[in-house]
Amino acid sequence: AQSVAQPEDQVNVAEGNPLTVKCTYSVSGNPYLFWYVQYPNRGLQFLLKYITGDNLVKGSYGFEAEFNKSQTSFHLKKPSALVSDSALYFCAVRVPNNAGNMLTFGGGTRLMVKP
Amino acid sequence: DSGVTQTPKHLITATGQRVTLRCSPRSGDLSVYWYQQSLDQGLQFLIQYYNGEERAKGNILERFSAQQFPDLHSELNLSSLELGDSALYFCASSYSRTGNTEAFFGQGTRLTVV
Repeated sequence: AQSVAQPEDQVNVAEGNPLTVKCTYSVSGNPYLFWYVQYPNRGLQFLLKYITGDNLVKGSYGFEAEFNKSQTSFHLKKPSALVSDSALYFCAVRVPNNAGNMLTFGGGTRLMVKP
Repeated sequence: DSGVTQTPKHLITATGQRVTLRCSPRSGDLSVYWYQQSLDQGLQFLIQYYNGEERAKGNILERFSAQQFPDLHSELNLSSLELGDSALYFCASSYSRTGNTEAFFGQGTRLTVV
């Protein structure tokens, strides 16, 4: 079985400061990892993914994430936070197999960026 | 706009009733996934269809069923509704059979059971 943990329910950061949203995963096999963002009353929007290759992946809106196989982590980062980054962030894992390739999501982390 | 269309956006119904949620995937996407988002359970995978066939089942109740039609749109049927079924239901679609492409989500259907 695959699982994702987002240890922080909420992350508070001041505008202009770097931000990190943590994610760890547990799978058997090689994972595909994803980050999504959800704004109020909206669906989930794709930010970035790790499939293979370079451990540092860059995504939308200046976000990046680093895949660390030994620590089974895929933390989301941004060098300088904006107030408009305030939203709910979800980490997800997928391990393709014959039984399907659904995404398994973490519980979500609410990011609050204060002016 | 993700290209995934869900209707209706909001639905209010009484306990014991049956509703149907509809999803049109992005053009060309063969996989459709249904998820339930509630405050206490987070995002729970319900079921996946690929090109008309059921591919994977998650925590989907027996009162719930889904299908994917030849034009690839999908419907999620919820019956004998209970108060606890109130949630946001998302549909997502993706192209790849192997899972290396991202899934695109619709804006969801907010179901309120009263």
